[in-house]
Amino acid sequence: LAKTTQPISMDSYEGQEVNITCSHNNIATNDYITWYQQFPSQGPRFIIQGYKTKVTNEVASLFIPADRKSSTLSLPRVSLSDTAVYYCLVGDPLPAAGNKLTFGGGTRVLVKP
Amino acid sequence: DADVTQTPRNRITKTGKRIMLECSQTKGHDRMYWYRQDPGLGLRLIYYSFDVKDINKGEISDGYSVSRQAQAKFSLSLESAIPNQTALYFCATSDPGQNNEKLFFGSGTQLSVL
Repeated sequence: LAKTTQPISMDSYEGQEVNITCSHNNIATNDYITWYQQFPSQGPRFIIQGYKTKVTNEVASLFIPADRKSSTLSLPRVSLSDTAVYYCLVGDPLPAAGNKLTFGGGTRVLVKP
Repeated sequence: DADVTQTPRNRITKTGKRIMLECSQTKGHDRMYWYRQDPGLGLRLIYYSFDVKDINKGEISDGYSVSRQAQAKFSLSLESAIPNQTALYFCATSDPGQNNEKLFFGSGTQLSVL
């Protein structure tokens, strides 16, 4: 399983863009990169998933360089409610492989007024 | 996710007691999982089940057992609870029919073993 490294914590202010970079030097050919968000006392929630280049949805963008050894989750114009822990996962999510995604320690993002 | 329900939400027990945590889901997913989360750490996989007849150990299965009573129900048991099993436990489901398989989590059960 590919190991991931991400910052332990980040502080930001309302209205700013938050970028969290995750390193995954040993990512395998079939591995996807998935990000989850977790609020206190709740289970993690899927945010975004990608394989290469850029993926964007209504919540975030995910930037993946050509070598795929890292990825950056971008949260545009954060609000106080975006304060949470963000997990970067790397693994093969395809049905035949089963769920092989492993959670690391996550990045604790604190959005200040 | 309200479609994945865990009971109880909180439980305090004593060392040596048998405890069962229950999970039920209305998402119709075949795959179910039990994770454990310790303060400041990520989630670690305890057991997972890809269908009613399938049970698999995860990273940290020692001291735990599971039962998949039906597609919608997956319970986790601590046969003889010990203090280092104090943690937040999450049940999750996923749908193998999707190419980008996602996990859907319950709200968790906070277990304290004294």
